[in-house]
Amino acid sequence: AQTVTQSQPEMSVQEAETVTLSCTYDTSESDYYLFWYKQPPSRQMILVIRQEAYKQQNATENRFSVNFQKAAKSFSLKISDSQLGDAAMYFCAYLMEYGNKLVFGAGTILRVKS
Amino acid sequence: DAGVIQSPRHEVTEMGQEVTLRCKPISGHDYLFWYRQTMMQGLELLVYFNNKAVMDDSGMPKDRFSAKMPNASFSTLKIQPSEPRDSAVYFCASSLSVRYEQYFGPGTRLTVT
Repeated sequence: AQTVTQSQPEMSVQEAETVTLSCTYDTSESDYYLFWYKQPPSRQMILVIRQEAYKQQNATENRFSVNFQKAAKSFSLKISDSQLGDAAMYFCAYLMEYGNKLVFGAGTILRVKS
Repeated sequence: DAGVIQSPRHEVTEMGQEVTLRCKPISGHDYLFWYRQTMMQGLELLVYFNNKAVMDDSGMPKDRFSAKMPNASFSTLKIQPSEPRDSAVYFCASSLSVRYEQYFGPGTRLTVT
């Protein structure tokens, strides 16, 4: 079964600085999708970024970018120029190519200091 | 687009009572998912539909939970009888297709006393 591991329960970053959240996953599949979701205190799950496993190029969305290392099964999220609004729980998630079950990690709480 | 809509946002009920959670997916999305989030278990998939048909309900306690999707724009998750261990945030999500990201509703916080 696929598993997703987020080894950092909590992270802190100073406003305007850069932070990287870690995620590793275990799968025997070659084609799949990876996501980062953000859950602020409002509890709304917000999609941050998506990566297709067949793409070598790392996905980027404004201040958010990923470092996808397929061989190492690693999928980290980098947030540049951190803002107070980035404070939230961040979940890494895996989706099989022909499946619909999103498998989530346990989450990382990100605190942003002003 | 209004996004995924869930109601109610909060529900407090007594043990043994019936609870019904409602969800309206994004128009045009063929897949609908029900998740439960707790501190202990994190986010768990309970059940999902494709074109109104249940595709997988292996994560759902079937003795007390039931999920229906009578039409493409409405789904319910019913708990009868409710128990304190059902206290959680329940999310509904929808997606366009197998390979597409899932969009979540705001969730329903359920408290069973």
